Amino acid sequence: GDSVTQMEGPVTLSEEAFLTINCTYTATGYPSLFWYVQYPGEGLQLLLKATKADDKGSNKGFEATYRKETTSFHLEKGSVQVSDSAVYFCALSAQGAQKLVFGQGTRLTINP
Amino acid sequence: ETGVTQSPTHLIKTRGQQVTLRCSSQSGHNTVSWYQQALGQGPQFIFQYYREEENGRGNFPPRFSGLQFPNYSSELNVNALELDDSALYLCASSSGQRTGAFNYGYTFGSGTRLTVV
Repeated sequence: GDSVTQMEGPVTLSEEAFLTINCTYTATGYPSLFWYVQYPGEGLQLLLKATKADDKGSNKGFEATYRKETTSFHLEKGSVQVSDSAVYFCALSAQGAQKLVFGQGTRLTINP
Repeated sequence: ETGVTQSPTHLIKTRGQQVTLRCSSQSGHNTVSWYQQALGQGPQFIFQYYREEENGRGNFPPRFSGLQFPNYSSELNVNALELDDSALYLCASSSGQRTGAFNYGYTFGSGTRLTVV
């Protein structure tokens, strides 16, 4: 079945460091790919998405590129801030499917 | 847009009891899904409703059931609660087609934290 694998966490960085959170997926066809963020005590917020190969999603300085050849959708940010501390989830939605399939989440902590 | 609102925010129930969780979807969103998020895990799909009918179900037993109403509200009912049902329950809505998640993703509520003791 469809699945999403994220890099093991937690991840701790200093402010202004470069961030990469790896995400790979397994799915038939051409799924849509998403990154969601969850701040403490809150639900999930859509951070960015890409619906076809080579698309780049971007928002709030975060970027991720849909790589069909490597089945990846890695999240990157050039300079992180303390306010970026949260749990990040990579997810996919397969064509014709009714659901999102999530990875296990990566907890990110940014120290000042 | 009014967002997705869930109630209550926290709930404590005893094993064997029944619980009803409520969700008010974003206006115009006729697709609603429910997810269970255990501590430290990613959300797991329970089921989806589209125009008041169940439109897909994850690997959850029948004691998990739902309803969707014409006013974009919905309910998740869980019977015969078990300790492992303790989790954050998330409601998510999407606009348009039965498979709205594919193109648009979902708007999530803040969840109901259920603790079964």
